[in-house]
Amino acid sequence: KQEVTQIPAALSVPEGENLVLNCSFTDSAIYNLQWFRQDPGKGLTSLLLIQSSQREQTSGRLNASLDKSSGRSTLYIAASQPGDSATYLCAVTPGGGNKLTFGTGTQLKVEL
Amino acid sequence: DTAVSQTPKYLVTQMGNDKSIKCEQNLGHDTMYWYKQDSKKFLKIMFSYNNKELIINETVPNRFSPKSPDKAHLNLHINSLELGDSAVYFCASSQRVLAGVNEQFFGPGTRLTVL
Repeated sequence: KQEVTQIPAALSVPEGENLVLNCSFTDSAIYNLQWFRQDPGKGLTSLLLIQSSQREQTSGRLNASLDKSSGRSTLYIAASQPGDSATYLCAVTPGGGNKLTFGTGTQLKVEL
Repeated sequence: DTAVSQTPKYLVTQMGNDKSIKCEQNLGHDTMYWYKQDSKKFLKIMFSYNNKELIINETVPNRFSPKSPDKAHLNLHINSLELGDSAVYFCASSQRVLAGVNEQFFGPGTRLTVL
């Protein structure tokens, strides 16, 4: 059974800092990994999707990497801003399937 | 706007009632999903439909019955509501599953409160 863990559970940083969020999964037989952000009381916004054959994806100040063999992904946020404050979730799609298994989330607060 | 939409956004009801949540996507996707987010914010798949056909049915009480009248709609009907059903329910959609693709797009959620 796939289990997805995110560390840290919560993070508070000053504005402008570069930061890394971690995601680990127990079964490396995945099709892809997706990073989302969730604002309080809102739905999920897809940030990046990394296919199993890829090593990283970039979108603006966000960079996500994937090391499938070790069961790890990181989300790097450059020059953090207060608007980045949200909960960040990673989720994996198993090989041959299409359901997402979600991680436990990292609650990020970027302070002025 | 192209998106996944859900109605209602909030639903407050008494134990024992029957209620429905509706979901629609205009992204042209073939596959739709229902997820449940519990009080600890953990998200878990409930159901998935591909072109109106049920393809995923996790261990969910049979009081929950999804219905897909067409591939753009996936509704969730819940009978005999219980306190433990209180949660946020998210609908999502994706294109037909292809190896390495399957980016999922989520609706805004329906916050269900059972009193």
